[in-house]
Amino acid sequence: NAGVTQTPKFQVLKTGQSMTLQCAQDMNHEYMSWYRQDPGMGLRLIHYSVGAGITDQGEVPNGYNVSRSTTEDFPLRLLSAAPSQTSVYFCASSETVGETQYFGPGTRLLVL
Amino acid sequence: QQPVQSPQAVILREGEDAVINCSSSKALYSVHWYRQKHGEAPVFLMILLKGGEQKGHEKISASFNEKKQQSSLYLTASQLSYSGTYFCGTEETSGSRLTFGEGTQLTVNP
Repeated sequence: NAGVTQTPKFQVLKTGQSMTLQCAQDMNHEYMSWYRQDPGMGLRLIHYSVGAGITDQGEVPNGYNVSRSTTEDFPLRLLSAAPSQTSVYFCASSETVGETQYFGPGTRLLVL
Repeated sequence: QQPVQSPQAVILREGEDAVINCSSSKALYSVHWYRQKHGEAPVFLMILLKGGEQKGHEKISASFNEKKQQSSLYLTASQLSYSGTYFCGTEETSGSRLTFGEGTQLTVNP
């Protein structure tokens, strides 16, 4: 099992560019989520999904879109990147909501 | 609502003990603890459920006081490998999503 994988590991964007952060898991987990981590602010939930075809907003959803067409994949789209979106992004999955979360290795994003 | 962790940072010598606290202003169903080493992803340590059931797999203990809406993580006889940032995540009702605290940075020196 690869667990939770994320691509890319690093990305530099210019303000206004769009991109998609990829996340995949091979554990057949129903629940998947995206967090951003900024210094001194812990992990903040961006979007989450309780199953294929179902997504919902977390604490900081503005500027991000998600979709969940399959159980395995949960991509995060930045529509028009802003410097405030410079952060480390983690994808996580668990069997269901409230269970142990398994985190991917993270994507470091720098927006200039 | 985001739980509050204390202390924000602690420095220990190898073999010393530490306690990290996590408190909420709301009633909790469960508290989750994760550890993150520098440059790595958070890794699960333990879940404490309302009613006293504890689920975990490392030799680190914790308590959950439902009345005080507080959990404490106990690290005894600390090892160098304990260094990292510890996060608590709280679940207000069964099946609700986790809200993480800001983290406690633990440094263990030789």
